[in-house]
Amino acid sequence: DAGITQSPRHKVTETGTPVTLRCHQTENHRYMYWYRQDPGHGLRLIHYSYGVKDTDKGEVSDGYSVSRSKTEDFLLTLESATSSQTSVYFCAISESTGFANTGELFFGEGSRLTVL
Amino acid sequence: TQLLEQSPQFLSIQEGENLTVYCNSSSVFSSLQWYRQEPGEGPVLLVTVVTGGEVKKLKRLTFQFGDARKDSSLHITAAQPGDTGLYLCAGEHNNNDMRFGAGTRLTVKP
Repeated sequence: DAGITQSPRHKVTETGTPVTLRCHQTENHRYMYWYRQDPGHGLRLIHYSYGVKDTDKGEVSDGYSVSRSKTEDFLLTLESATSSQTSVYFCAISESTGFANTGELFFGEGSRLTVL
Repeated sequence: TQLLEQSPQFLSIQEGENLTVYCNSSSVFSSLQWYRQEPGEGPVLLVTVVTGGEVKKLKRLTFQFGDARKDSSLHITAAQPGDTGLYLCAGEHNNNDMRFGAGTRLTVKP
């Protein structure tokens, strides 16, 4: 199994509070991603990183920010959580980009966030 | 609107039956991947198809990429309870932006 650890695995918080989810990898992969998974929508990309301090927005980035100060850590922050951000969040890593370059995504086990 | 539409959304069959699930789009993809996800876990890659018309087999699973590279199918022969899970297709929309379908949730009853 790819060495990906997400924390916390479960969190319940209230609307308006800040939340940070952490993804830690031991594979030294260059690319890291944050997805959210909701029924009927599948996995949607929030933000991704292609190196230390290099990040970019994904499909559903509004209300989220990320930081990557070290190769192994990718943080996802909800500055002021809303009920619409209740979801399961997955971190993924990839050695290369582009499927033709066998850019397989390795996923963490997910972090379930509930915003009341 | 999903870039990748998967059908059916849900499928419940008996052990030993065959099944096919589909992944369709109006967009052309340079390649497409299939993942399988079990409850409480992250998705795990099954296969990557790259060439239009390509067929790949993985034991009882057969994956096909459409000639126009807009669609794909996954066929399972003699399904087993261990095949139960959520099957997701994913295509590269732009560089680094992999788009996923909503998935087909398969249940195989013993």
